[in-house]
Amino acid sequence: QKEVEQDPGPLSVPEGAIVSLNCTYSNSAFQYFMWYRQYSRKGPELLMYTYSSGNKEDGRFTAQVDKSSKYISLFIRDSQPSDSATYLCAMRNTGNQFYFGTGTSLTVIP
Amino acid sequence: DSGVTQTPKHLITATGQRVTLRCSPRSGDLSVYWYQQSLDQGLQFLIQYYNGEERAKGNILERFSAQQFPDLHSELNLSSLELGDSALYFCASSVYWGTGELFFGEGSRLTVL
Repeated sequence: QKEVEQDPGPLSVPEGAIVSLNCTYSNSAFQYFMWYRQYSRKGPELLMYTYSSGNKEDGRFTAQVDKSSKYISLFIRDSQPSDSATYLCAMRNTGNQFYFGTGTSLTVIP
Repeated sequence: DSGVTQTPKHLITATGQRVTLRCSPRSGDLSVYWYQQSLDQGLQFLIQYYNGEERAKGNILERFSAQQFPDLHSELNLSSLELGDSALYFCASSVYWGTGELFFGEGSRLTVL
């Protein structure tokens, strides 16, 4: 079983839709949770970072962590064509090792 | 701009050759990570350094090696290159302690012909 599981998609939505991206994990040692956005052939860009269960909001983005279920989500409200990218979830354990999902490809259609 | 600098951005070479990729971490970050990303594949962790010392190894081939220098920049050496080594190579840095988010450079795109 992989440490982090992420549905690769692809996901295609109309502009203005709410997007939900999800990851599950198996290791209880993961303490910190991140979402990255990666445009084609570019470096991953850190979008959201959280270390506790619950919700964290930043503009149109909301990160949700449920440690009891080992499940994290990223919600994008009012999605824009510029949100079209691959979204990677990532987790860090107390040993400062990072584990990444395989990424979900998102296309927002104008 | 993440503050992580990688050079070269693009590199084309032949099989059997050796290349060196360079990374300068964000100011103040002591930890450097190297990742490989092949076409349509996820990020594969190669190796991690902290303040000059190797801390963790992932799926790094024996033909590959890395080091972190006293000024904290890092180099990834790839030798006896094969066609399958063509990929994007990312460097990332982190403060290591505390919150420790990971910040990525723009990558070095290696093409082996």
